[in-house]
Amino acid sequence: QKEVEQNSGPLSVPEGAIASLNCTYSDRVSQSFFWYRQYSGKSPELIMSIYSNGDKEDGRFTAQLNKASQYVSLLIRDSQPSDSATYLCAVNRRSGNTGKLIFGQGTTLQVKP
Amino acid sequence: SAVISQKPSRDICQRGTSLTIQCQVDSQVTMMFWYRQQPGQSLTLIATANQGSEATYESGFVIDKFPISRPNLTFSTLTVSNMSPEDSSIYLCSVGQSEAFFGQGTRLTVV
Repeated sequence: QKEVEQNSGPLSVPEGAIASLNCTYSDRVSQSFFWYRQYSGKSPELIMSIYSNGDKEDGRFTAQLNKASQYVSLLIRDSQPSDSATYLCAVNRRSGNTGKLIFGQGTTLQVKP
Repeated sequence: SAVISQKPSRDICQRGTSLTIQCQVDSQVTMMFWYRQQPGQSLTLIATANQGSEATYESGFVIDKFPISRPNLTFSTLTVSNMSPEDSSIYLCSVGQSEAFFGQGTRLTVV
């Protein structure tokens, strides 16, 4: 079992729809959770971080964390073609701040005009 | 977040040779991290570079293959030694206390 699992996709949604990206992790001691966006040929860009159970909203993005179910999700509202990218879920297992992350394999999102 | 600059941005190298990748940060940071992203794959942590001490390598990565220097709090290098085509990847440095912020990466092709 991989430590961080994502459906590789591609996930295809029409423009204006809600895109829902999911991630599960195996280590219950995981403390910090992140979503990165990576455009083809570019480095990953942090878009959301979440540390406690519940929802966290930032503009069109909402991250959801459920530690009991070991599940993290990212919702993108009003999806735009510019949102088409690979979304990487990452987990920091340590209770201290170390910046060492375990990444999932990424989900490719395609937003069709 | 810090501004992270990597050099070179890309290179094509002959097998058996070595390439040193530089990472410069615009502020002092305690730890710097080196990741590898193989074609079509996600990111895997190679090692943590600490100033003033040996780098800490993750399982599957060894110092002889990926020597790292960390001469000060704003700079680090990663060398990919005795390269083979399997080393063709994007190499990324990152900084961050909890989350990771990445440089633009070095795209390495070994022929």
